[in-house]
Amino acid sequence: AQRVTQPEKLLSVFKGAPVELKCNYSYSGSPELFWYVQYSRQRLQLLLRHISRESIKGFTADLNKGETSFHLKKPFAQEEDSAMYYCALSGGAFKYIFGTGTRLKVLA
Amino acid sequence: DAGVIQSPRHEVTEMGQEVTLRCKPISGHNSLFWYRQTMMRGLELLIYFNNNVPIDDSGMPEDRFSAKMPNASFSTLKIQPSEPRDSAVYFCASRTTGMNTEAFFGQGTRLTVV
Repeated sequence: AQRVTQPEKLLSVFKGAPVELKCNYSYSGSPELFWYVQYSRQRLQLLLRHISRESIKGFTADLNKGETSFHLKKPFAQEEDSAMYYCALSGGAFKYIFGTGTRLKVLA
Repeated sequence: DAGVIQSPRHEVTEMGQEVTLRCKPISGHNSLFWYRQTMMRGLELLIYFNNNVPIDDSGMPEDRFSAKMPNASFSTLKIQPSEPRDSAVYFCASRTTGMNTEAFFGQGTRLTVV
């Protein structure tokens, strides 16, 4: 079965502090993993995908197959990072599933 | 392209009424997804289509929910009869099939059943 787990519903950090949003997945094949972000009153949009190994807006995420994790990290949080973050898994049969999401609040 | 278009943006209806949500995917995308977003459950996959064919509807909560995709440019999600617990934001998304392709989301329909 395919599953994405985001254990934290809410994460509050102070501006300038490091951020780590956790994501664990369950999938027997080779996973395709993504992070999406939803800013207030906007539609969900892709933040980054594991295959690209890119840094977007200072965020990075590394796929750890041993721990089946794909945590999202940023060394110094900014107020504009406050948003809802979803981890997503694309697996077999074209399926595309999301975790329950983590709301990140960056405090001034 | 205007992106994925959903209508209506907001819907308020009385319990027991039929509700139809509409989605126009991005032209050329051959996969379409319907999701329901709630505080408690996050983004739940309800059903998805590939080349207009329903592939997996195991996420549809009850028989009151049904979805169709009569052609490549249109899909509907229907709830009949609606109940207050159906109140949520419903999203439609589309993508091309292939490795690591992005899903593009509509603005969502905020449904309130009173």
